[in-house]
Amino acid sequence: DQQVKQNSPSLSVQEGRISILNCDYTNSMFDYFLWYKKYPAEGPTFLISISSIKDKNEDGRFTVFLNKSAKHLSLHIVPSQPGDSAVYFCAARVQGAQKLVFGQGTRLTINP
Amino acid sequence: EPEVTQTPSHQVTQMGQEVILRCVPISNHLYFYWYRQILGQKVEFLVSFYNNEISEKSEIFDDQFSVERPDGSNFTLKIRSTKLEDSAMYFCASSVLGASGGYTFGSGTRLTVV
Repeated sequence: DQQVKQNSPSLSVQEGRISILNCDYTNSMFDYFLWYKKYPAEGPTFLISISSIKDKNEDGRFTVFLNKSAKHLSLHIVPSQPGDSAVYFCAARVQGAQKLVFGQGTRLTINP
Repeated sequence: EPEVTQTPSHQVTQMGQEVILRCVPISNHLYFYWYRQILGQKVEFLVSFYNNEISEKSEIFDDQFSVERPDGSNFTLKIRSTKLEDSAMYFCASSVLGASGGYTFGSGTRLTVV
């Protein structure tokens, strides 16, 4: 099941710079996209979501961009902080359904 | 901050045994879920539960699996006869609005079948 793909297994960014995490999807029936952050030995923590009718949603340091024509979304973190080091999952919901389909995750490391 | 609580944090069981994984969702949440993550793989949906019944389930959630909300606060996942391939991290989650509002996940139960 490759409906949601995160092609970069890892990303390393310097503290204070911008982190950009990418996600591609194939299912045109997705109506919500979400980003989760996961620390070791913890469950995923919801960060931010975007409806398929929007192209941008911002919450503090986190901004999600959606490009429906390219079936691509990205999460921008500005400025990156050491506490942002974690695995980030992109997830999507099919319209009318409850389940989320997750990507494989990208491990973000923020270097001092 | 309200939390989803899962117990135990780690369970080791012999193949063929029954296990029950327990979860206490956030009290005013209406939707409940189980997901699992096999080591090195994606987080996978198992089942969603709303209004005291299963609202959606995946192909993974076969007759060996069942869910229950026995007392209005706990939400359990039972695996009747465990197999080696059931070894995974199992996450419970709950939400107010359904998936679009973002779930709150518990910390997970690591199930090891030997």
